Amino acid sequence: DGGITQSPKYLFRKEGQNVTLSCEQNLNHDAMYWYRQDPGQGLRLIYYSQIVNDFQKGDIAEGYSVSREKKESFPLTVTSAQKNPTAFYLCASSSLAGISYEQYFGPGTRLTVT
Amino acid sequence: GDSVTQMEGPVTLSEEAFLTINCTYTATGYPSLFWYVQYPGEGLQLLLKATKADDKGSNKGFEATYRKETTSFHLEKGSVQVSDSAVYFCALSAPDTGRRALTFGSGTRLQVQP
Repeated sequence: DGGITQSPKYLFRKEGQNVTLSCEQNLNHDAMYWYRQDPGQGLRLIYYSQIVNDFQKGDIAEGYSVSREKKESFPLTVTSAQKNPTAFYLCASSSLAGISYEQYFGPGTRLTVT
Repeated sequence: GDSVTQMEGPVTLSEEAFLTINCTYTATGYPSLFWYVQYPGEGLQLLLKATKADDKGSNKGFEATYRKETTSFHLEKGSVQVSDSAVYFCALSAPDTGRRALTFGSGTRLQVQP
């Protein structure tokens, strides 16, 4: 089955530690995205990538880093510089063909930092 | 910049009631419009989409019509079920911008009571 996988589903870290969230897709999509969701709020774009070895900052990139070494993979690192990292993180991908660019989402990773 | 405004929730309905969730947008050019649904603890699922004015997207009994003159994309369903309880997000994709990411509304929680 084609889709997007994120792991782990729940992640707990101590303050001051970096943590990496995994995102893999087998949809052969060129573009991948990371969003952050806080309770009762919409999604905010952290980083996106439209091609291997290239990525762009979104609206809230401070304290985060990404890499895109393979088309299928787009891991997100939450660094100790992120002031409020506890949130639900969603990865998405889309084809860049056509005109609508609808995105397909993974199941999410809930990160709790104490 | 682009923005999406949704009616605030929660929206509480009895089973078999008629549903409307309002969505209006601001965007440059001719965006594509989407409704996504999120069940508790899960990622977002694409519910329906429309790519040009007067298009009607539909899926699972839900419908929304792209109204350029009122910049709206209201979600409707004639008879809701308890299983429709979820958070619904309106989103747009503006092809004129380079990043092709989605801009989301803040979400509307729907609670359907038996």
